[in-house]
Amino acid sequence: EIVMTQSPATLSVSPGERVTLSCRNSQSYFIHVAWYQQKRGHTPRLLIYDASTRADGVPDRFTGSVSGTEFTLTISSLQPEDFATYYCHQYNSWPYTFGQGTRLEI
Amino acid sequence: QLHLQESGPGLVKPSETLSLNCTVSGGSIVASNSYWGWIRQPPGKGLEWIGSVYYRGNSNYNPSLNNRVTMSIDPSKNQLSLRLTSLTAADTAVYYCAKMHNWIDIWGQGALVTVSS
Repeated sequence: EIVMTQSPATLSVSPGERVTLSCRNSQSYFIHVAWYQQKRGHTPRLLIYDASTRADGVPDRFTGSVSGTEFTLTISSLQPEDFATYYCHQYNSWPYTFGQGTRLEI
Repeated sequence: QLHLQESGPGLVKPSETLSLNCTVSGGSIVASNSYWGWIRQPPGKGLEWIGSVYYRGNSNYNPSLNNRVTMSIDPSKNQLSLRLTSLTAADTAVYYCAKMHNWIDIWGQGALVTVSS
């Protein structure tokens, strides 16, 4: 099973800041990764798939990238509506797995 | 626009079997190359993949569920179903059905299932 490790677990930030969230996989080869945003009490929403492709309707302040085994989600300028929990997800091999999430808080 | 809606009991007793349905509207559940899944989220915790089923019926399940899970597709009702046996309190969660392209592009709104006597 591929283990996805997200860091940090919680990040205290302010509107307007640039934020970088990390997700590392436990394997040494490239894997397929998506990112989701979940606001408290709501359903997750797809942001990024195939590591760097923005889903339909996702603002361009959200950018996904990969370097080796580290996947990164960058939010260029935090908006008030971006305060949420973000999950990475690998769909390279079964069983599909998620990271434990990074929560953005003010 | 595809819409997914879960339905089922909100409360189930330990050792019993959970049956959840997911009704798909706005498209066919057996459209070519369609791929569906179930994910769950215990209260206050992260996401766990339960399994996935292809429109032709072949499926993959999370081994962590110890062969307790079965998924199926009913084209006549345009529904996806989940069956989870031998429930314990650890199975208490919000259960989401999903439309997939390997990643999840459409989520249902989720159904809270509580396992308690």
